[in-house]
Amino acid sequence: AQSVTQLDSQVPVFEEAPVELRCNYSSSVSVYLFWYVQYPNQGLQLLLKYLSGSTLVKGINGFEAEFNKSQTSFHLRKPSVHISDTAEYFCAVTLPMYSGGGADGLTFGKGTHLIIQP
Amino acid sequence: SQTIHQWPATLVQPVGSPLSLECTVEGTSNPNLYWYRQAAGRGLQLLFYSVGIGQISSEVPQNLSASRPQDRQFILSSKKLLLSDSGFYLCAWSEGWDRGRNTEAFFGQGTRLTVV
Repeated sequence: AQSVTQLDSQVPVFEEAPVELRCNYSSSVSVYLFWYVQYPNQGLQLLLKYLSGSTLVKGINGFEAEFNKSQTSFHLRKPSVHISDTAEYFCAVTLPMYSGGGADGLTFGKGTHLIIQP
Repeated sequence: SQTIHQWPATLVQPVGSPLSLECTVEGTSNPNLYWYRQAAGRGLQLLFYSVGIGQISSEVPQNLSASRPQDRQFILSSKKLLLSDSGFYLCAWSEGWDRGRNTEAFFGQGTRLTVV
C-alpha cells in the first residue's frame, strides 16, 4: 500500500521569503500525487497535481511542485509567500487505475502548517 | 460545473444523541463519494467510500455508518454519539470508474462536530 510522509508539521517563514514544504511517498508502482491547501475551518482545495509528463507542475496561487521519482518526493515550493498563504498544506497520493488503483480515494500525509511571519 | 454541498457547517450534540450529516454533489453522475474525519494534528482519516447507490465500504470500524440513498447523496450517521466522535468531517467526490479515471478528489466545506 502507498503512504505519504510530510516531514515538517510546522514551517515558519517570513513574508516575501521563499518556502519549500517537503513530501515523500512510498509506493512500488506508479502514482498520482497532489497538494491541497486548507484554510481554517474550511474544506481542502486542490493546489496542483502530478499525473504524468513534465515533472515540474505549476498550480494556483504561485505554487509549484517537482516530482522526483528516484527520491520518491513531491516537494511544494513558492518563491515569495504572503500572509494569505498561512494555512495547512496536505500532500496526497493515489494509484492510477493501470497500477491497480481502486476507488478508495487518496492517502494523505499528516499536513504541514505554514506560518507566515510579518 | 460540479459543486458539492455539505451541511451543517457546525454542530454541537450531547453524548448519546443521534447524528446525521448530509452531502450532495451537483453537475456529475455516478461519482465516487467519501467521508473523511480530521482530528487536530492527525491528518485526514478515510471513514467510508461509495462507488454507487447502496454500495458502502468502511475503512475504520467505529460508531458511525454511512448510506447512499441516491446517486449524488451521501449521509453520515450515528445512533449514539461518543465524545471521541468530535472532529471535523469532510465529504468529497471524485470521478467514477465509468469514466476510466482515478484522480483528484473535490471537498465540501466540512462540518465541525463537537460532542459534549
